[in-house]
Amino acid sequence: DQQVKQNSPSLSVQEGRISILNCDYTNSMFDYFLWYKKYPAEGPTFLISISSIKDKNEDGRFTVFLNKSAKHLSLHIVPSQPGDSAVYFCAASARGGTSYGKLTFGQGTILTVHP
Amino acid sequence: EADIYQTPRYLVIGTGKKITLECSQTMGHDKMYWYQQDPGMELHLIHYSYGVNSTEKGDLSSESTVSRIRTEHFPLTLESARPSHTSQYLCASSDRLLSYEQYFGPGTRLTVT
Repeated sequence: DQQVKQNSPSLSVQEGRISILNCDYTNSMFDYFLWYKKYPAEGPTFLISISSIKDKNEDGRFTVFLNKSAKHLSLHIVPSQPGDSAVYFCAASARGGTSYGKLTFGQGTILTVHP
Repeated sequence: EADIYQTPRYLVIGTGKKITLECSQTMGHDKMYWYQQDPGMELHLIHYSYGVNSTEKGDLSSESTVSRIRTEHFPLTLESARPSHTSQYLCASSDRLLSYEQYFGPGTRLTVT
């Protein structure tokens, strides 16, 4: 039972264009969502997050949108740069109880930005 | 800048050997985690700790064990390695108050022959 899904295994975009990575979740108890970026042979690094009380959070070139009714979030990268090429993981957490602080990850999307 | 370290980075070992994967963090974080990840798959939580002498099993069943005798140190042990244990193991830590954001080490790529 996969509670966080990234249905696109890969995405290829041209430098300067927008990259949109998508993530769906099924657990309605999730109330905090994060995006991580992972380069080969390195651990994931935190990129941006959003609380369920918001529908948008922006940090420089990165914006995360949350649609609670659709249980969907997306990460927009504008403009995309070749250095953004990496695997992007969506993660979610539920506040309270034994789930507090634990993250559930999606399978990741490989983003390739071509010069 | 997160300071969390894992050793070894790569390990190739024969079946039946005992191995310990080391994880240390210098940030004073109370919470630490171990994840297992196979290529193209999601990270699965196998162990976590909310502080010294506290360890819990994660969502994915694992034959490994962990200990948390010091805040900064969270080693993972496999008593008898098997080929099915071949995977990447990632250690992470988080602050007690900002626990949603976890900081990851570089990982250990384990291959059991």
